[in-house]
Amino acid sequence: DAGVTQSPTHLIKTRGQHVTLRCSPISGHKSVSWYQQVLGQGPQFIFQYYEKEERGRGNFPDRFSARQFPNYSSELNVNALLLGDSALYLCASSSLVGSSYGYTFGSGTRLTVV
Amino acid sequence: GENVEQHPSTLSVQEGDSAVIKCTYSDSASNYFPWYKQELGKGPQLIIDIRSNVGEKKDQRIAVTLNKTAKHFSLHITETQPEDSAVYFCAASKELTGGGNKLTFGTGTQLKVEL
Repeated sequence: DAGVTQSPTHLIKTRGQHVTLRCSPISGHKSVSWYQQVLGQGPQFIFQYYEKEERGRGNFPDRFSARQFPNYSSELNVNALLLGDSALYLCASSSLVGSSYGYTFGSGTRLTVV
Repeated sequence: GENVEQHPSTLSVQEGDSAVIKCTYSDSASNYFPWYKQELGKGPQLIIDIRSNVGEKKDQRIAVTLNKTAKHFSLHITETQPEDSAVYFCAASKELTGGGNKLTFGTGTQLKVEL
């Protein structure tokens, strides 16, 4: 079975631009969570979606938004990119919503803002 | 909010020795504590986890202990091998008011197993 799939794997954007990152969960998983991992740090929670509804939001500005589609795939959108948005963006899927048990992470999208 | 501290930040051991990584968490509502291994260019991979109603769990060379009273949990790797070299993250999970859940990660430990 395929794991969590993220695209693209690498991306370079200019300050002020917007970006869309995509995630396909493991088949049968209805929950998708997004994390930002800055170099040398642990991942930080951005959003969780379950059954197309937002179930949690981390401490990130409104420039960050996400959505989940009927097939449970998800997009993370970031507007007005800043240099500080450069990071590895990770998607995790699970079959549960109220617990992180069974989280499986994708390999991430490496975003570089120049 | 939840804060997870992790020590040490780097750890170098000889092959065959044991490695111990320690974490503390601040939010008593956290109820699930996974450990992840992250290799270069990859996402975190779950290696072992423990729920808040369990004090210890072991899986072959890897064990995790949890002290809920002190809000401490630790990862123990015995008989280390070169392929154990990676960055290890502890995390604490809690439920959110919207019905979801989030992981709060530690800052990571770079483990190097030397031949």
